[in-house]
This record gives sequence, C-alpha cells and structure tokens, in this order.
Amino acid sequence: EDQVTQSPEALRLQEGESSSLNCSYTVSGLRGLFWYRQDPGKGPEFLFTLYSAGEEKEKERLKATLTKKESFLHITAPKPEDSATYLCAVQAKTGGFKTIFGAGTRLFVKA
Amino acid sequence: NAGVTQTPKFRILKIGQSMTLQCTQDMNHNYMYWYRQDPGMGLKLIYYSVGAGITDKGEVPNGYNVSRSTTEDFPLRLELAAPSQTSVYFCASSFGQLETQYFGPGTRLLVL
Repeated sequence: EDQVTQSPEALRLQEGESSSLNCSYTVSGLRGLFWYRQDPGKGPEFLFTLYSAGEEKEKERLKATLTKKESFLHITAPKPEDSATYLCAVQAKTGGFKTIFGAGTRLFVKA
Repeated sequence: NAGVTQTPKFRILKIGQSMTLQCTQDMNHNYMYWYRQDPGMGLKLIYYSVGAGITDKGEVPNGYNVSRSTTEDFPLRLELAAPSQTSVYFCASSFGQLETQYFGPGTRLLVL
C-alpha cells in the first residue's frame, strides 16, 4: 500500500538553529514528491517538486532533497516566520491518479 | 488573479442536511480537486476532475458528489450530512497532473 510518513510530528527550534524534516514514502513507482507549507487556517502553499533520487531544490532558507525512500526538508538558520506545518505528498505511477499526503510536521521557531 | 476561491468559509450543518461547497478558479486550469483534512491527518482526496464534464473518485468519495460543467467551477455536494463529515475541505487546481496544485483557503464544516 502506498504510504507517506513524516517525522517528527512537531519540532521546536530557536531562531538560527538549523534542522531537517523527514518524509519517508512507500509507493509503487514514484512520479513526483511535493513539499507544501501550510499556515494555520489557510490552504497549503507549494514549495518544491522533486522527481528523481539525487535531485535537490532550494528556496531561501529551505532545501529539499530526495532519495529512493525518503525526502528531507532542510531549514537553515530558521526565522520565526518559518513557523508553519510542512506537508509532504507523493504521486505514484500505478494505482490511478492519486496524490498521497503525509500528516505533516508542525515547526515552531522561537525568537 | 484571485486564484482558487471557496465559499462558505465556515458552516454548521445538522445531521441529515445537505449543502454544496463552492470552488472557483480563474487560472484556466484543467485539473481540479477536492480534499478533506482532519486534525493531525494528511489531506485525503475526495474527487477530482481532469476537465469540464469529466470527474472521478478519489480515496474517500462516499457521501459526496461533484460536477464540473465549466472549467472554472467544481462544486462539492454533501448529501445527508453525518458527523464523520466534520472536517476542513480544500479545493485545489493545477494545469496538469504533475503540476503545482494551488489550494483555496478552505471551508470548515461542522456537522452536529
């Protein structure tokens, strides 16, 4: 069964304290892996799409990487405004059209 | 561009009532989706559409219906509301299947 697991569930950081969020996936052939940011009371906002193992993408303090079994979202020197829930999602090559979302990691960055 | 808009923002329904959640996008996207998000859980796909007149079931379609008569609109219909349908509903759209999905602000539904 296709599955996406994110860890940790919640992460508390001090401003400037770098860390990583993990997204482990099990799918029968990966079409693409997506990272979204979701602020409280709002819809998810797109961050990155990764298609193949070894691929990396960066945006400001965020960097996403992909292996054959997991993806990491690295946050360098975070600021309080980076506080949000980060969602990971995958699309599989089989089983019809379906995007599977993980439960998310809630990030809190304290000034 | 307004992007993806959803109405209403919040609604309380009694068990057995029906309602339609509205979703409109102004980006001329072919693909549109309905998700529900329960506390502490990931988004679950309810229905999706690949173009006007074409819809298909997602992961959790029971208790819902959709239609897509225009490119812009993708309403979600709840028939005979049940407490299990208490959730936050998000509509999204994308140009293609692997393209970025743009989400609306969500509709919070409470069924009592």
